[in-house]
This record gives sequence, C-alpha cells and structure tokens, in this order.
Amino acid sequence: DVKVTQSSRYLVKRTGEKVFLECVQDMDHENMFWYRQDPGLGLRLIYFSYDVKMKEKGDIPEGYSVSREKKERFSLILESASTNQTSMYLCASSPGQLSADYGYTFGSGTRLTVV
Amino acid sequence: GDSVTQMEGPVTLSEEAFLTINCTYTATGYPSLFWYVQYPGEGLQLLLKATKADDKGSNKGFEATYRKETTSFHLEKGSVQVSDSAVYFCALGTGGFKTIFGAGTRLFVKA
Repeated sequence: DVKVTQSSRYLVKRTGEKVFLECVQDMDHENMFWYRQDPGLGLRLIYFSYDVKMKEKGDIPEGYSVSREKKERFSLILESASTNQTSMYLCASSPGQLSADYGYTFGSGTRLTVV
Repeated sequence: GDSVTQMEGPVTLSEEAFLTINCTYTATGYPSLFWYVQYPGEGLQLLLKATKADDKGSNKGFEATYRKETTSFHLEKGSVQVSDSAVYFCALGTGGFKTIFGAGTRLFVKA
C-alpha cells in the first residue's frame, strides 16, 4: 500500500525552538506539499516542491522553510516556533507534472502545539 | 481567481438517509475536480475524482458528476452509515501543481 509517512503524530515545542517536521513518501512521486489546517481556515499551502532541491512558496510561507535533498523526503522547518504556529500540519505528494489531475496522497498529519 | 464553495456544515443525518453535499467552483480552463474525506484525527484521503465535463467519479457508494453547465460537483450517497461520519472536502485541480480546497463539510450520521 502506497504511503506518505509523517514522523510524528503529536509534537509539543517551546516558543523560539527550531522545529523539524519530516515527511517521507514511497511512491516515487515528483511533487510534495506542506499544508496547515486550522479550524475555520481550511487547508492553506505553505510550500511545495516539484523536484529534488526545488521549492516554491505557497500562500503562507512566512516563518517556515523547507528542504528536499532526496526525492522521497520533504522537511518543513519552523525557524523559531511561535504560538500562532500551533496547528495540524499535513504533508501530501502527487505524481507527474500536472499533479492537479491526479489528486494527492496525504500523510496522517502532525498536530503541533507551541507553548 | 479559481475558487471552490461547498455547503456549510455540520450536516446531521440518520443512518440509511440520502446524502448530498453541494460543491460549486469557479475556474478558468478545464479543471479536474475531487472529493476528499478526512476521518477524525487523520489526514485527507482521496475519495473520488473527475477530470472532464460529464465524467462521474464513484467510490465506496459515493458519487459525483462533473457538471460544466452549472459549475458543480455535488457529492451524493444513497444510504449513509455511521462510519461515513467525517469531514468532506471538495477540491479543484488547476492544471498545474496546485489544488484549491473548499472549507470542508462535517457530516454526522446517527445510528
């Protein structure tokens, strides 16, 4: 069964810490995405990557960065965590150049709490 | 710009009732359309999709038809079960890398 695996289901971090959220897919997909999901705001795209070492800003990139050194792994980095980054973070992947035609495979999510 | 609008929830139904969740879209070009489902505490799962006008996507008893004339992609199921309780997201594929998601509709099914 194809999978997108997020390293942690629940995470609690302190304000100001540098936080790494890891995502690995085993489907050889070219494209990977990071979203955050908040009540009343839906899913918002933070960053995406369409190839190794390539990245593009989404709708809300401020306070985040990403890394994609290998095709299967896409990391989201919170440079200095703040309480307004408390959220559910969802990683997704999709194949091909027209990823919007194929749909996404999502991970189970990481619920991050910043205290 | 491109957008997706779906009916607000929550929707509460009794088991075996008929389900409709409305979704309309605005898009240039010829988008693909999707329904995703999110069970409590989980990520989203692709439920069904349609890539061109008049296509019908179906899965697990759910179905939706891509209606270009009404710019709609309503989700239907003839007989819901308690296990269908979840949040349902309508989404639009813009033809590039991005997908635009609706706000989600929460469904409660009572036994």
